[in-house]
Amino acid sequence: QLVLTQSPSASASLGASVKLTCTLSSGHSSYAIAWHQQQPEKGPRYLMSLKSDGSHSKGDGIPDRFSGSSSGAEHYLTISSLQSEDEADYYCQTWGIGIVLFGGGTKLTVL
Amino acid sequence: EVQLVESGGGLVQPGGSLKLSCAASGFSFSGSAMHWVRQASGKGLEWVGRIRGKANSYATAYAASVKGRFTISRDDSKNTAFLQMNSLKTEDTAVYYCTQEHFDYWGQGTLVTVSS
Repeated sequence: QLVLTQSPSASASLGASVKLTCTLSSGHSSYAIAWHQQQPEKGPRYLMSLKSDGSHSKGDGIPDRFSGSSSGAEHYLTISSLQSEDEADYYCQTWGIGIVLFGGGTKLTVL
Repeated sequence: EVQLVESGGGLVQPGGSLKLSCAASGFSFSGSAMHWVRQASGKGLEWVGRIRGKANSYATAYAASVKGRFTISRDDSKNTAFLQMNSLKTEDTAVYYCTQEHFDYWGQGTLVTVSS
């Protein structure tokens, strides 16, 4: 069964870096994923998509501070030089034939 | 500039119906699949379903939680997608977003409240 797993929460200090993880279920490591950011009281915003080979495609206007990487079934979103506006929920997403799934989301707190 | 604008949300009683619209601009609507995603208050994102374009016979797919109750359609002449929601339940209460094929643009959402 296709499942995406994210840690519920993460925190890091202003100006520091943080790495969020999204794990695909066993047998699905070849699936591509996408990352979305949702700031408080706003709609989701597409950040990037990541393929299992590590290649990625960023959304329009996404700062270079946001980067993605992959290792097997694990996909990462790294945010460097953290700013206060990066405090948000981050969701990973994947898709198959006739199905789309979101991870439970990670709530990032910027200290 | 890509724009997706949802409308049609509101308060409806359990068992009732509601039809949401998603007006699109700034991209080739007819060639793009369109998705609906919802989010209950304080919860995560949940995919509702999608409709593909004419080249793929307007094929639809739905989440198990809404299959048989919700129907997605589109009017390519008006660059608009629709979500017809029937037999609504209290657990369908959520903000409903539309997004296009690759999820790289989202609307601002419309709130649907199912309550007596």
